[in-house]
Amino acid sequence: DAGVIQSPRHEVTEMGQEVTLRCKPISGHNSLFWYRQTMMRGLELLIYFNNNVPIDDSGMPEDRFSAKMPNASFSTLKIQPSEPRDSAVYFCASSSQTGGATGELFFGEGSRLTVL
Amino acid sequence: GQQVMQIPQYQHVQEGEDFTTYCNSSTTLSNIQWYKQRPGGHPVFLIQLVKSGEVKKQKRLTFQFGEAKKNSSLHITATQTTDVGTYFCAGGAGNMLTFGGGTRLMVKP
Repeated sequence: DAGVIQSPRHEVTEMGQEVTLRCKPISGHNSLFWYRQTMMRGLELLIYFNNNVPIDDSGMPEDRFSAKMPNASFSTLKIQPSEPRDSAVYFCASSSQTGGATGELFFGEGSRLTVL
Repeated sequence: GQQVMQIPQYQHVQEGEDFTTYCNSSTTLSNIQWYKQRPGGHPVFLIQLVKSGEVKKQKRLTFQFGEAKKNSSLHITATQTTDVGTYFCAGGAGNMLTFGGGTRLMVKP
């Protein structure tokens, strides 16, 4: 299995531009998570999906952030407009959730975003 | 909401010394997971503990889950330079998993 695949690996953009991060979860996993990691705030859960449905988006910073999961094999995280404080590494992770409990998370290699 | 605290934030050790990181939750957990993130890498799952008082070992790593299922620890015996990285605990409650802030381990050869 190829694991969780994220793109792009690196993105440098200017303030005000739209950024779209992409994720392909592991085939057969029914839960998908978007995390943001910074030195100051650590690993923050932004949103998670179960069976393609957003379950908890309370971690999404503000309306500039949106996430979609149109099917079981693809998800996007969009920031529009981007700001310098959005600079971080964004991780996508997937897992197989059974009986209401979250199992082992498999993380992608992350997308490092720099907003100038 | 649920909070998971981890201490210490940083730990420098001499190669061969032992290392322990502690994890405390504000609420009772259904399970606890541990992850390791190498510098520049992504978190990688190490283990999951489910039972009260559970102890599991992986070579030089020993993981414990507290009796009240609100705290956990990871102990590394005789650290090696390959142990360098940040160790995260993640507390599970229902379908939510909350990560601690991590403990960054640095090992001097």
